[in-house]
Amino acid sequence: GENVEQHPSTLSVQEGDSAVIKCTYSDSASNYFPWYKQELGKGPQLIIDIRSNVGEKKDQRIAVTLNKTAKHFSLHITETQPEDSAVYFCAASDGGSQGNLIFGKGTKLSVKP
Amino acid sequence: DTEVTQTPKHLVMGMTNKKSLKCEQHMGHRAMYWYKQKAKKPPELMFVYSYEKLSINESVPSRFSPECPNSSLLNLHLHALQPEDSALYLCASNIDGGLGTGELFFGEGSRLTVL
Repeated sequence: GENVEQHPSTLSVQEGDSAVIKCTYSDSASNYFPWYKQELGKGPQLIIDIRSNVGEKKDQRIAVTLNKTAKHFSLHITETQPEDSAVYFCAASDGGSQGNLIFGKGTKLSVKP
Repeated sequence: DTEVTQTPKHLVMGMTNKKSLKCEQHMGHRAMYWYKQKAKKPPELMFVYSYEKLSINESVPSRFSPECPNSSLLNLHLHALQPEDSALYLCASNIDGGLGTGELFFGEGSRLTVL
């Protein structure tokens, strides 16, 4: 089955700096890669996603890149703000018949003002 | 604001109690999910309902019993739980009928404490 590795587990940046979180996946049949942001006491919220037929996607300060050959994808946040502080989860669709999402272990991002 | 509504937000129960968690969505989605999330861990899939039929049960103990009365509602009935079942229980919905490759919308969760 699919396995998703996420790094780093914690990341601390100064306000205004960029943050990068990286994930690798194992199943070449995976075709959907979402990123979720989870604030304390709340459910995960989708912030950006990418499908396997696209190499990069941007939405304002957030971008995701996908390298299908190397089986890795990354989240890039530019001009970070204190409100970006949260736990971020990457996920990959299970390429098997069930087609569910397999989550990485999460990255706790702290943006210092 | 999330469009998946979960109640109650917090629940404390004893090991002999029977309680239920409820989830509602009005986005016309045809797949609904229950996830369990322990502190500092990612969500773990428990059940998937697709078109009101249970399509996936991730070997969850029978003390957790899901129910999908209609396409907008999802319940999780709890009975004889253990303290290690204490966690955040997340409901999610998806338009794709259970394949999980479309956007998954999560609720805010129900935080369960078992004494």
